[in-house]
Amino acid sequence: GEQVEQLPSILRVQEGSSASINCSYEDSASNYFPWYKQEPGENPKLIIDIRSNMERKQIQELIVLLDKKAKRFSLHITDTQPGDSAMYFCAAHTEGADRLTFGKGTQLIIQP
Amino acid sequence: DMKVTQMPRYLIKRMGENVLLECGQDMSHETMYWYRQDPGLGLQLIYISYDVDSNSEGDIPKGYRVSRKKREHFSLILDSAKTNQTSVYFCASSQGQNYAEQFFGPGTRLTVL
Repeated sequence: GEQVEQLPSILRVQEGSSASINCSYEDSASNYFPWYKQEPGENPKLIIDIRSNMERKQIQELIVLLDKKAKRFSLHITDTQPGDSAMYFCAAHTEGADRLTFGKGTQLIIQP
Repeated sequence: DMKVTQMPRYLIKRMGENVLLECGQDMSHETMYWYRQDPGLGLQLIYISYDVDSNSEGDIPKGYRVSRKKREHFSLILDSAKTNQTSVYFCASSQGQNYAEQFFGPGTRLTVL
C-alpha cells in the first residue's frame, strides 16, 4: 500500500515567520492530498487539501504545493501565530483505494 | 449540526477485560473508520466500514473487531484487552472515500492496566 513520509517531526519557528512541512509519497496513482490540524486534546480537522490536477492552492495563510514528478507535497504557513501551534498530519489517497494514508505528524511550536 | 460523537471519552480497563467503544454520526455518511493514535506513530487505521454490515480490515486490525448495524453507528470491540492497546481511539466518517473530508470524533482515551 501507499507510504507517506512526513518531516520534520518537530518544528519550532518564531511567531510571525513562516513554517514549512514536507511530505513524500510512493504511489504515482495517488491523487488527493489533504492536511489535517490537531490542536492539543482535540480531534484532527481538515484545513486544506489539493488534488493531483493542481500544483498550488492557497487558503488565507495556508499554501499547499504539489510536485507530482518528485512525489512530494508541502504545507506552508505564512506569518505564523500562536494559534498555529498544533500537530499537523499530511495524507495521501490513491485512486481506487478506500482509505487515506497518513504521515506520522509534525508538532509545530510557535515561539514568541 | 454535523457531528461525530464518541462514548466513553475516557476508559480504564484491566488486561483481559472486554472493551466496547461507540461512535455515532448525524451526517448519514456511508463510510466510517476507527483509528488509533500513538505518539510518533500518527493515525493508524484499524477498520473501515462502507455501510451497514460491510466492514473491512485496516492496517492494524489484530485484536479488534467492529460492528455496524445502523448507518449512523459504528462500534469497536476489544475482546480481552491487552496493555499494548492503551491508546487514543478516534472514530471518523466521510461521504464516500474519494476526495472526501473525514470528520473525526473527539476521541476515547483507553488505558489498559
